[in-house]
Amino acid sequence: ETGVTQSPTHLIKTRGQQVTLRCSSQSGHNTVSWYQQALGQGPQFIFQYYREEENGRGNFPPRFSGLQFPNYSSELNVNALELDDSALYLCASSQRGAPAKSSETQYFGPGTRLLVL
Amino acid sequence: GENVEQHPSTLSVQEGDSAVIKCTYSDSASNYFPWYKQELGKRPQLIIDIRSNVGEKKDQRIAVTLNKTAKHFSLHITETQPEDSAVYFCAASRNDMRFGAGTRLTVKP
Repeated sequence: ETGVTQSPTHLIKTRGQQVTLRCSSQSGHNTVSWYQQALGQGPQFIFQYYREEENGRGNFPPRFSGLQFPNYSSELNVNALELDDSALYLCASSQRGAPAKSSETQYFGPGTRLLVL
Repeated sequence: GENVEQHPSTLSVQEGDSAVIKCTYSDSASNYFPWYKQELGKRPQLIIDIRSNVGEKKDQRIAVTLNKTAKHFSLHITETQPEDSAVYFCAASRNDMRFGAGTRLTVKP
């Protein structure tokens, strides 16, 4: 198993509520990427954080936001939850060199399963 | 942005046979191509990856090939075993990673 952890493991919310998901990256890793995986689909890239700054974003609305802390752990916040936000949320950590020459290997956490009712 | 297509969506093979999964990508600047295996209810696990300066890579029963000109890459699993049964995802990355829709592989004993 990787050293990437996520909390909580499961969460049930209602439409309109807000949620915060947490990710602790593997020791030595400075980059965290977040993905949404709907049932039966591949992970969809939400955004990436490198050294506490957003470093790329997928096709997700602004109500999806994030943070990265000095210890490189990260949070994903989703406001105004919709039914379609129900999914497995995965974070992946990696070590990016500076300057980055090519994409780095990403290791996934176990995910947080979010159900919006 | 990058678009990754993966085929087939389902694949059933007999134990001991080979399995091949194919992916195409759209962004010629993509330079890293990992493959992940995801068992039911578990996290995706990296099984093999290849970078754009290499055409082929092998690790025991698993191999990946990359054709940069045609923008496609493939996963080959030889001597399949029932424990190879899972969903396999390809991905392509330049800065951020884009995944294919997955292939559900079933290996029948």
